Amino acid sequence: QLQLRESGPGLVKPSETLSLTCTVSGGSISSSDYSWGWIRQPPGKGLEWIGSIYYRGSTYYNPSLKSRVTVSVDTSKNQYSLKVRSVTAADTAVYYCARQHSSTSGNNWFDPWGQGTLVTVSS
Amino acid sequence: SYELTQPPSVSVSPGQTASITCSGDKLGDKYACWYQQKPGQSPVVVIYQDNKRPSGIPERFSGSNSGNTATLTISGTQAMDEADYYCQAWDSSTACVVFGGGTKLIVL
Repeated sequence: QLQLRESGPGLVKPSETLSLTCTVSGGSISSSDYSWGWIRQPPGKGLEWIGSIYYRGSTYYNPSLKSRVTVSVDTSKNQYSLKVRSVTAADTAVYYCARQHSSTSGNNWFDPWGQGTLVTVSS
Repeated sequence: SYELTQPPSVSVSPGQTASITCSGDKLGDKYACWYQQKPGQSPVVVIYQDNKRPSGIPERFSGSNSGNTATLTISGTQAMDEADYYCQAWDSSTACVVFGGGTKLIVL
């Protein structure tokens, strides 16, 4: 059964870079059938898609975050990563990684999701 | 940018049918999916490709999508169905994933 787990610092200072890694187990990140996504959820608020990556490295991002975000993949470690630069308190959220089912027809959904990790931006 | 709109909350009595809507411009031309999120837990997909139910999701969950509205229907709602529900679609014009704002289902 495929499992995803987020890891990284739980506290980041304002103006610094938030870095998280998602480790995929029980399956290969190099599958051509899927992309791999990052989604976040500020405390008490809704879900916000951050960006996604295909195992060959092609990426697509939420336009509202694109200037500050990089998603990368390391197929040798079966991991992919997220970096958010110049963070502020507004970036405080639970960050989830998830496998993204997608097709050329536009059929697109996330399953399964990682457990999520809370990242707090504070000095 | 493309937007999906959901009611903030929906109330239903146990055993009754709950309907949660998700509105967006020509949403029926896209595929919609739905997630259930209980407090302190990660979201779980309950409907994908408008009306497909993943294995393990009870038959009382169903979906439809036409015109500008996708609908998640829960028949014979149970107390365990009380949760936040999010719709999601893919906007091909911008290559973006879009989530609705979420609906809290209250089982009275």
